[in-house]
Amino acid sequence: QVQLVQSGSELKEPGASVKLSCKASGYTFVNLGIHWVRQAPGQGLEWMGWINTNTGNPTSAQDFTGRFVFSLDISVSTAYLQITSLEAEDTAVYYCARGYGSWNNWYFDLWGRGTLVTVSS
Amino acid sequence: SYELTQPPSVSVSPGQTATITCSGDKLGDKNAYWYQQEPGQSPVLVIYQDNKRPSGIPERFSGSNSGNRATLTIRGTQAMDEADYYCQAWDRSTVVFGGGTKLTVL
Repeated sequence: QVQLVQSGSELKEPGASVKLSCKASGYTFVNLGIHWVRQAPGQGLEWMGWINTNTGNPTSAQDFTGRFVFSLDISVSTAYLQITSLEAEDTAVYYCARGYGSWNNWYFDLWGRGTLVTVSS
Repeated sequence: SYELTQPPSVSVSPGQTATITCSGDKLGDKNAYWYQQEPGQSPVLVIYQDNKRPSGIPERFSGSNSGNRATLTIRGTQAMDEADYYCQAWDRSTVVFGGGTKLTVL
């Protein structure tokens, strides 16, 4: 079955770090990049960036540099998003999505179910 | 930075045609994509490359893109179509989403 399975909800205190996972199955992981999209409560979709699963090269959107790190473990077909120095404003659902199509014209044909990260003391 | 503008809400009666617009500078020169997101669910791709439907998406969903505007049209709208809809495009190696439109089927 073609799917992206994301890790479970997280509750973290401000200043802590969190590492989210996105495990792919049912297709060749290294052929299609993994993108990350954030959705704050009641808000729209924000593209955070993506990781090239063939080269491991990450690309971050302008608003998601520094504290946000994309990584891979190809051996288990899994992409990761690590967020450091968590702030209350990081409270959101984080989706991973498969990028399909041509270079810099991908669209997201497969999405994970999302991971809710709550940052609160 | 590039922006895509959608109306916050659109209302339609069951069986009628819903039209959701997405505006951006020279958007017609880019590919437009549309996603449907039901409450508490992940987004689902409903239109890609302006007007193509992924397998499994009903024929009542269609798209167009020209000039500065892309349009998602839902003909014979059903109650199950009530959801948030997001347009998406690429600009300078960056993904841009519209702010989303809440479609209400009254």
